[in-house]
Amino acid sequence: GAGVSQSPRYKVAKRGQDVALRCDPISGHVSLFWYQQALGQGPEFLTYFQNEAQLDKSGLPSDRFFAERPEGSVSTLKIQRTQQEDSAVYLCASGLGPLGGRETQYFGPGTRLLVL
Amino acid sequence: QKEVEQNSGPLSVPEGAIASLNCTYSDRGSQSFFWYRQYSGKSPELIMSIYSNGDKEDGRFTAQLNKASQYVSLLIRDSQPSDSATYLCAVVGSSNTGKLIFGQGTTLQVKP
Repeated sequence: GAGVSQSPRYKVAKRGQDVALRCDPISGHVSLFWYQQALGQGPEFLTYFQNEAQLDKSGLPSDRFFAERPEGSVSTLKIQRTQQEDSAVYLCASGLGPLGGRETQYFGPGTRLLVL
Repeated sequence: QKEVEQNSGPLSVPEGAIASLNCTYSDRGSQSFFWYRQYSGKSPELIMSIYSNGDKEDGRFTAQLNKASQYVSLLIRDSQPSDSATYLCAVVGSSNTGKLIFGQGTTLQVKP
């Protein structure tokens, strides 16, 4: 595909339910980032992958959040025992090169998660 | 103090005017600065990047960076109603890991 894709686009979960959010980066992109965007706020960093290696997970808010990218392409963000405060848009971004400050990040459309 | 600060607005300008959007950051070692545009319900879209002090122009957009003052701005000339969106300032901090630190965004309204 031409861009980053994410699925599902919308997810409604009952509190306590586990959810899995998928990101398909641009083909060949080495870097993959997950961000969380609450309503009216800027995105906040969650985690970073370089190929299959998770090099930075400092932004994950709790141990209920887990991300993986086992083959260095598709990534999944899993949230266990969802809470209402997890309601947000989850954005995935990919970049062509590895770690570096000048790499352009291309964002997917996001998954809008609502926890009831 | 937030790492990246923006006035949330809304900033309202008439069509054809210059819109000026401002951003300050706290990490003095930051090296890379970006402006993203986000339409309501859509994902952020990169419009400008700047790495050195001074001005960088691209069409109707000019980014300005002053590292001594820890200040970055975006000017939009000849503003159009289609420019109405939230503008996000993003910074890569001194760790230079590539992760973006965003401000909360400034909502721009361009009135016909």
